[in-house]
Amino acid sequence: GIQVEQSPPDLILQEGANSTLRCNFSDSVNNLQWFHQNPWGQLINLFYIPSGTKQNGRLSATTVATERYSLLYISSSQTTDSGVYFCAVNAGTYKYIFGTGTRLKVLA
Amino acid sequence: KAGVTQTPRYLIKTRGQQVTLSCSPISGHRSVSWYQQTPGQGLQFLFEYFSETQRNKGNFPGRFSGRQFSNSRSEMNVSTLELGDSALYLCASSSSPSSYEQYFGPGTRLTVT
Repeated sequence: GIQVEQSPPDLILQEGANSTLRCNFSDSVNNLQWFHQNPWGQLINLFYIPSGTKQNGRLSATTVATERYSLLYISSSQTTDSGVYFCAVNAGTYKYIFGTGTRLKVLA
Repeated sequence: KAGVTQTPRYLIKTRGQQVTLSCSPISGHRSVSWYQQTPGQGLQFLFEYFSETQRNKGNFPGRFSGRQFSNSRSEMNVSTLELGDSALYLCASSSSPSSYEQYFGPGTRLTVT
């Protein structure tokens, strides 16, 4: 099955800093989503981005499907950005495969 | 539009018991998926339902089962609970087979003692 790797596994930033999270996947995918899991466990949709680039405020994402990776950019980070960021991919089998996540801590 | 709801939010059970978790998808969504999240195994797919039919199942023992009702609400059941079943159980809904963007509920945190 598809393998999904995320890097870095842990990231500590000072408030206001920028960061790039990476998601590599081992095979072609039809769908890709980025999620933020808050401290209460809720998975919040950030981007549905099987290809191309999207932006939403301080966050943006790029997926290069032919090279099997996706990037999530966080600019001017805030303490509320803390949590775990997951990439999940789907290859048309009605199920998403999740990466192991990047744990982000933003310090005030 | 209301989001995905899951009940109960927290549950404590004893080994050997069974448990039923409920998920109500976003209004108009007909596909419901279930995931188990543990510190050791991460987020793992359990099963997915569309129009009351299970379309895919993850690599879990037969003690894990589910169903979907005509109103798209879904339940999952775990029988003969084991300590390792302690986890956060997440439900996700999507609008149709061609729309794979999933929206997650707040989860049910199950503790087995």
